[in-house]
Amino acid sequence: GAGVSQTPSNKVTEKGKYVELRCDPISGHTALYWYRQSLGQGPEFLIYFQGTGAADDSGLPNDRFFAVRPEGSVSTLKIQRTERGDSAVYLCASSLPTSGTDTQYFGPGTRLTVL
Amino acid sequence: LAKTTQPISMDSYEGQEVNITCSHNNIATNDYITWYQQFPSQGPRFIIQGYKTKVTNEVASLFIPADRKSSTLSLPRVSLSDTAVYYCLVVGLNNAGNMLTFGGGTRLMVKP
Repeated sequence: GAGVSQTPSNKVTEKGKYVELRCDPISGHTALYWYRQSLGQGPEFLIYFQGTGAADDSGLPNDRFFAVRPEGSVSTLKIQRTERGDSAVYLCASSLPTSGTDTQYFGPGTRLTVL
Repeated sequence: LAKTTQPISMDSYEGQEVNITCSHNNIATNDYITWYQQFPSQGPRFIIQGYKTKVTNEVASLFIPADRKSSTLSLPRVSLSDTAVYYCLVVGLNNAGNMLTFGGGTRLMVKP
């Protein structure tokens, strides 16, 4: 079946601009996660959705970052007033949230470059 | 959750068995050990998960000693396509919906 998809695959923007990154999870997965990965490092957690609500947003670095999942499926990560330090690969993952050992399925990521 | 420590990098040759050891001294009773693999320009992919002793699947084996303070991922007869970053993680059984906490991973380079 279809895996997690993310669009766009690459996004280049200028400092100060607004960007939106989209994630389509696996059908039926009610848990959705956003991570950010800088070059040479492991992914870092940003936010977790259970259904439509953000169950844990403790990883969002500041209030320029916001994410929504209005219908409990597709999610959009929004970054306002982008800064060069926001450049990274943004990964989305989904899972069945029955236990902590559930496998998270990752998308290919969106590579964001802020000039 | 327990912090994990693993080698930064490893080199191997095609056809060899590769063993990557991870330490997790503070692992809790309800924690499981999970390994993910990540190829360049792709998201991480689940490889294997275990609680104790030995787990084997079509990709790898996972060895966990009785004290569970470490674990070893074993890749039999690696090929060039096994070149990737391998992450060892500890996940809590009862923490449904908790984020994965990745360390730096082990960069495995398989040479011809």
